[in-house]
Amino acid sequence: DGGITQSPKYLFRKEGQNVTLSCEQNLNHDAMYWYRQDPGQGLRLIYYSHIVNDFQKGDIAEGYSVSREKKESFPLTVTSAQKNPTAFYLCASSPQGGVSNQPQHFGDGTRLSIL
Amino acid sequence: GESVGLHLPTLSVQEGDNSIINCAYSNSASDYFIWYKQESGKGPQFIIDIRSNMDKRQGQRVTVLLNKTVKHLSLQIAATQPGDSAVYFCAEKRGGGSNYKLTFGKGTLLTVNP
Repeated sequence: DGGITQSPKYLFRKEGQNVTLSCEQNLNHDAMYWYRQDPGQGLRLIYYSHIVNDFQKGDIAEGYSVSREKKESFPLTVTSAQKNPTAFYLCASSPQGGVSNQPQHFGDGTRLSIL
Repeated sequence: GESVGLHLPTLSVQEGDNSIINCAYSNSASDYFIWYKQESGKGPQFIIDIRSNMDKRQGQRVTVLLNKTVKHLSLQIAATQPGDSAVYFCAEKRGGGSNYKLTFGKGTLLTVNP
C-alpha cells in the first residue's frame, strides 16, 4: 500500500537532547510538510519542502530543523532550543507543492513527550 | 488578523441524523478549501475539497457548501453513523507557488450517540 509512515509512534526526550522524527512516503509526492498539533488546537506548520534539497520555514520553525536529501524522506529534528516540544507531530505530503489545488495526505503522527 | 475558525467546538447528534459542521474564513484570496476528519491518535484523513469557483460539491454521504459572500464553509454529513465520531477540521489554501500552504481551523468534535 502507498502511504506515509511516521516513526516512532511515541518518543521521549530528555532535557537538552535533540531528537529526530522520521517521515517516509512512497506516494512519489514532490511536496512534504511537518505540522505540530497541541491538545484542542489546529495544526501549525513547522517546515515544508516542495522539492528535493529545498525547504522553507513555516509559522513555528524556531527550535526545529529539517533536511530533504531524498524525495521520499523528510526527517524533522526537534532541537534543545525548542523549549516546549511536547506535542503530536504530523507529517504530510502532496503531489505538487503549489502548482495546483491538491489535498495533503497525512501520516499517523509521532507523539513526543519530555521526561 | 486572518484566520480560519469554527462556529461550534463540539457537536452531538443522534445516529441517523444529519450533521452540519461550520467554518468561517477571513482571507478572501483563498481559492481552495479542504475538510479533514481526525480520529483519536491518528492523522487527519481527507474527506472532501472544493475550489473557490464552486459553491457546492458532493461526495459519499458528505456535501461541502462554500459561501464566498460571507466567507463561510460547511460540511454536511448525511445519516450520521457512530464511525463518523471524530474531530473535523477545515483548511484553506493561501498563496501559491513556493508560498503555498494550508491554514487549519481548530476543529469541531463530532459525537454520534447510538
